[in-house]
Amino acid sequence: GAGVSQSPRYKVAKRGQDVALRCDPISGHVSLFWYQQALGQGPEFLTYFQNEAQLDKSGLPSDRFFAERPEGSVSTLKIQRTQQEDSAVYLCASSQQTSASTDTQYFGPGTRLTVL
Amino acid sequence: TQLLEQSPQFLSIQEGENLTVYCNSSSVFSSLQWYRQEPGEGPVLLVTVVTGGEVKKLKRLTFQFGDARKDSSLHITAAQPGDTGLYLCAGTGLSGNTPLVFGKGTRLSVIA
Repeated sequence: GAGVSQSPRYKVAKRGQDVALRCDPISGHVSLFWYQQALGQGPEFLTYFQNEAQLDKSGLPSDRFFAERPEGSVSTLKIQRTQQEDSAVYLCASSQQTSASTDTQYFGPGTRLTVL
Repeated sequence: TQLLEQSPQFLSIQEGENLTVYCNSSSVFSSLQWYRQEPGEGPVLLVTVVTGGEVKKLKRLTFQFGDARKDSSLHITAAQPGDTGLYLCAGTGLSGNTPLVFGKGTRLSVIA
C-alpha cells in the first residue's frame, strides 16, 4: 500500500521567499506530525494534528512557520520569508491512532529545503 | 526538557564485527523507540521498548531498555554492510500526550 508521500522532494529558495511543503499521509491515519531535521541532527518536533485540529504547535520555531490540515488529510507546512537557518529536511509522519507519541509513526521521505 | 544523548556519534566497523550503541537520558521515559534512517529517506521504526529491563530481539539486533527507563542500548551481532545507516532513539514522556523526543543518532558504517 502507499506510504506517506511528500512533495517536493527538494526545494531551493532564495532568502526571503515563501515556500509550501506538502504531506500526503497514509489514508485513514488520524494523526499527522511535522518534524525538522537539520544536518547531522535527529528530527525535532514542529507540530501535530489530530484530524483537522492542530493540537500542538509548540515546536514551530517562529511565527514564520505555519501548518494546516483543513480536511484532516493532506497537510501543508508553509514557511514565510525563509532564512538560511531554515535549511533542513522537513519530515512528515502519520499514525493510525490519536496518541501524539505512543502509536507507530510512519515517516515520509522528507523535503530537503535549501535557502540560499 | 527531556534530552536523549546517543553515543557514539559515528561508528565505522568491518563486516562481521559486533557493536553496541547507547541512548541515555537523565529523564524517565514511558517508552523508547529505535529507528533506522537511510540517506534520502525518513526514519523507519525498528522496535519499541516499554518495560524497564525489557529485552527485544530482531534477527541480529538486540534492544534493551534500562531498569529505570532512562536509557537503552542497541547491540548488533555480526554486522553486515546492509546495517549501514543512522540509528535514532526516540522517547515518549511520562506526562500524557507529549511528542516524541529524538536523539541526534549514531551514524553506522559497515565496511565489507
